Amino acid sequence: EDQVTQSPEALRLQEGESSSLNCSYTVSGLRGLFWYRQDPGKGPEFLFTLYSAGEEKEKERLKATLTKKESFLHITAPKPEDSATYLCAVLHPYNTDKLIFGTGTRLQVFP
Amino acid sequence: ETGVTQSPTHLIKTRGQQVTLRCSSQSGHNTVSWYQQALGQGPQFIFQYYREEENGRGNFPPRFSGLQFPNYSSELNVNALELDDSALYLCASSARGHEQFFGPGTRLTVL
Repeated sequence: EDQVTQSPEALRLQEGESSSLNCSYTVSGLRGLFWYRQDPGKGPEFLFTLYSAGEEKEKERLKATLTKKESFLHITAPKPEDSATYLCAVLHPYNTDKLIFGTGTRLQVFP
Repeated sequence: ETGVTQSPTHLIKTRGQQVTLRCSSQSGHNTVSWYQQALGQGPQFIFQYYREEENGRGNFPPRFSGLQFPNYSSELNVNALELDDSALYLCASSARGHEQFFGPGTRLTVL
């Protein structure tokens, strides 16, 4: 069964304390992996798309990497405004644009 | 460029009633997807519309139905509301096969 698992469920960091979020996936033929940021009560905000193992994307303090079984979202020197839920999703292998989401990692960065 | 918009923001209904949610897609996008997000969970795919035709459906009963209009805006209709339908309903627009951009969501509460 195609599925996405994210860990940890929740993460508390001190401002400036770097860490990584994990997204492992089982899908027969990866067509794309996506990272989103979601603030409470709002819609997910697109961050990155990764298509093949070895690919990396960066944006400000965030860097996403991809292997054949998992993706990591690295957060370098986080600030309190980085606090949010980070969602990982993969494209369904056959259903054209259906996204399969994980349950997310809730990140709290405190001063 | 206008992003994805959804209306209404919040909605309260009682069991058995019917509801219609609306979504305006981002300029240049021809595909609209609808997702249901329960509290603490990742979004679950309901269905997708491409050029006014349903183009994939998730594990949701037929009382969840939709439309897409010539301007690519979309509606989600839910009949015979149940308590478990209480959730954040998200609309995402995309150019087919590309990144999906989400609206702010409609919070539906069923009493």
